Amino acid sequence: DTGVSQNPRHKITKRGQNVTFRCDPISEHNRLYWYRQTLGQGPEFLTYFQNEAQLEKSRLLSDRFSAERPKGSFSTLEIQRTEQGDSAMYLCASSLGMTYNSPLHFGNGTRLTVT
Amino acid sequence: GIQVEQSPPDLILQEGANSTLRCNFSDSVNNLQWFHQNPWGQLINLFYIPSGTKQNGRLSATTVATERYSLLYISSSQTTDSGVYFCAVPDRGSTLGRLYFGRGTQLTVWP
Repeated sequence: DTGVSQNPRHKITKRGQNVTFRCDPISEHNRLYWYRQTLGQGPEFLTYFQNEAQLEKSRLLSDRFSAERPKGSFSTLEIQRTEQGDSAMYLCASSLGMTYNSPLHFGNGTRLTVT
Repeated sequence: GIQVEQSPPDLILQEGANSTLRCNFSDSVNNLQWFHQNPWGQLINLFYIPSGTKQNGRLSATTVATERYSLLYISSSQTTDSGVYFCAVPDRGSTLGRLYFGRGTQLTVWP
């Protein structure tokens, strides 16, 4: 169990550019989640996958955001035409979703700064 | 969506003191999780506790689902306990999909 891995750790981009983040979940975990956290707030749900199927999306996930998990393993989150309001910590988490006793395990996050 | 309120928002303790953090939620839930976010931003799952009481070392948690609250107890606090403590609950009827987080309790433990 190597934990949830996220890359990059930090990303600074100019407004209008596209960015892509990667998440590698714990290997046997079939559920993968993306959350966003801004300063002083708790994480806010963006989307989640069960295997390769994207089962739920928040309305926070505007048309500029897209997430994929093509083979049910790693996932990518892309933000197109970034805006300053997109600056936040993007957190990925995974869980084994076959039972109720399945806590969420978070990665270290990708901190995005849009200038 | 479900509302999650945590109290107190901030807590400052001297090493060795005990504390109780509270989480209230607005609807019935089938699970609740407590997390600790350390000063480097890493979120660590402390407890998965839909009801009853669990203990892990100096930490314990109790959830009273019928009264819609959960408590996290920290005994003999240490400086490494500093950080933000979050509780999170799922959408009604959800089976580990979307979780709603509170705004957290910022704990600072001084030596």
